[in-house]
Amino acid sequence: AQSVAQPEDQVNVAEGNPLTVKCTYSVSGNPYLFWYVQYPNRGLQFLLKYITGDNLVKGSYGFEAEFNKSQTSFHLKKPSALVSDSALYFCAVSVANNLFFGTGTRLTVIP
Amino acid sequence: NAGVTQTPKFQVLKTGQSMTLQCAQDMNHEYMSWYRQDPGMGLRLIHYSVGAGITDQGEVPNGYNVSRSTTEDFPLRLLSAAPSQTSVYFCASRPRTGSVYNEQFFGPGTRLTVL
Repeated sequence: AQSVAQPEDQVNVAEGNPLTVKCTYSVSGNPYLFWYVQYPNRGLQFLLKYITGDNLVKGSYGFEAEFNKSQTSFHLKKPSALVSDSALYFCAVSVANNLFFGTGTRLTVIP
Repeated sequence: NAGVTQTPKFQVLKTGQSMTLQCAQDMNHEYMSWYRQDPGMGLRLIHYSVGAGITDQGEVPNGYNVSRSTTEDFPLRLLSAAPSQTSVYFCASRPRTGSVYNEQFFGPGTRLTVL
């Protein structure tokens, strides 16, 4: 069965420091992986996706993610965090007509 | 483009009442879906549709009905509301072509409380 795990409920990082939000997945077949961000009282916004090819994927707002097949991971990264990056981040895997989400990681960037 | 729109934004129901959550999109997307978001559980798929006249169940379909008479609209009906249906509901859409690769576009959500 397919599943996504986000092991950290909360990540705190100082403004200007690099950030990482972790995600691991379990799926049979090729993984199609996504990151979404949710700001307070808003819907989810797409950040980036991995379908095939280069293991380092670049997305919106300076975010990138690294796909690691051997570790079944798809960690979200940003070299220098901004206070405006504070939000709830979801990792997801697409399987047929369903998108399976992790439980979310709340990122707080401290000024 | 308005994208994906949902109404109402907030709703309070009493146990046993019924209601319809509205969802519309103006991007001509074939695929539409409904998710519920609960604390500590991420988003879970309720129902989805791959085109007008075609609907199917997701992970948590019990207590909900859907229909898809047009490409644009995908309403979600709560037949007899229960407190366990207190949640935030999101509608989403994506193009069907290459669908497993495509990101979904989400509406702003409906926050439902069942007393």
